[in-house]
Amino acid sequence: DAGVIQSPRHEVTEMGQEVTLRCKPISGHNSLFWYRQTMMRGLELLIYFNNNVPIDDSGMPEDRFSAKMPNASFSTLKIQPSEPRDSAVYFCASSPTGDRLWRANVLTFGAGSRLTVL
Amino acid sequence: DQQVKQNSPSLSVQEGRISILNCDYTNSMFDYFLWYKKYPAEGPTFLISISSIKDKNEDGRFTVFLNKSAKHLSLHIVPSQPGDSAVYFCAASEYSGGYQKVTFGTGTKLQVIP
Repeated sequence: DAGVIQSPRHEVTEMGQEVTLRCKPISGHNSLFWYRQTMMRGLELLIYFNNNVPIDDSGMPEDRFSAKMPNASFSTLKIQPSEPRDSAVYFCASSPTGDRLWRANVLTFGAGSRLTVL
Repeated sequence: DQQVKQNSPSLSVQEGRISILNCDYTNSMFDYFLWYKKYPAEGPTFLISISSIKDKNEDGRFTVFLNKSAKHLSLHIVPSQPGDSAVYFCAASEYSGGYQKVTFGTGTKLQVIP
């Protein structure tokens, strides 16, 4: 398996522009997570999908952020309009299940998308 | 508020010596704890975990200790090797909102000096 695939790896954009980050989870994993990494807050959970359905979006910072999972093999995180404070590394992760099993805690992360908003 | 805290942003250790990374948590509902390792330009990878019903778990050179009364866990690496140089994230999990929700700390950057 190729693991969790994220694109783009790097994105530089100007304030006010729309940004779309993409993720392909591991085949067979039914849980998908979007995290954001910053120096001050570490890895923050933005949103969690189970079987393509958003279950917990309490970490999405504001309405400028939205996420979709149209099918089991693809998810997007969109920021519109982008702001300089959105600059961070965004990670997508997947796991085999969302229920109360130990393996649900073991997330497989993609390599991340580094976003810079000027 | 930060429910999982790693108070040491960085740590330097000589090769062959022990590395001890610490982590504190505030949420008593956490029932599973994990350590992830992250190299530059890569995503975090799972390293070792421990259930809340245990106080120690060992895997080769890596041992995780859990002190529930103090809400503290630590990762011991013995002996430390230069390839261990990375950022280590402590994580804690609870069953919340119908799923195992994993909360991460801010990370500790370990440098192992040859």
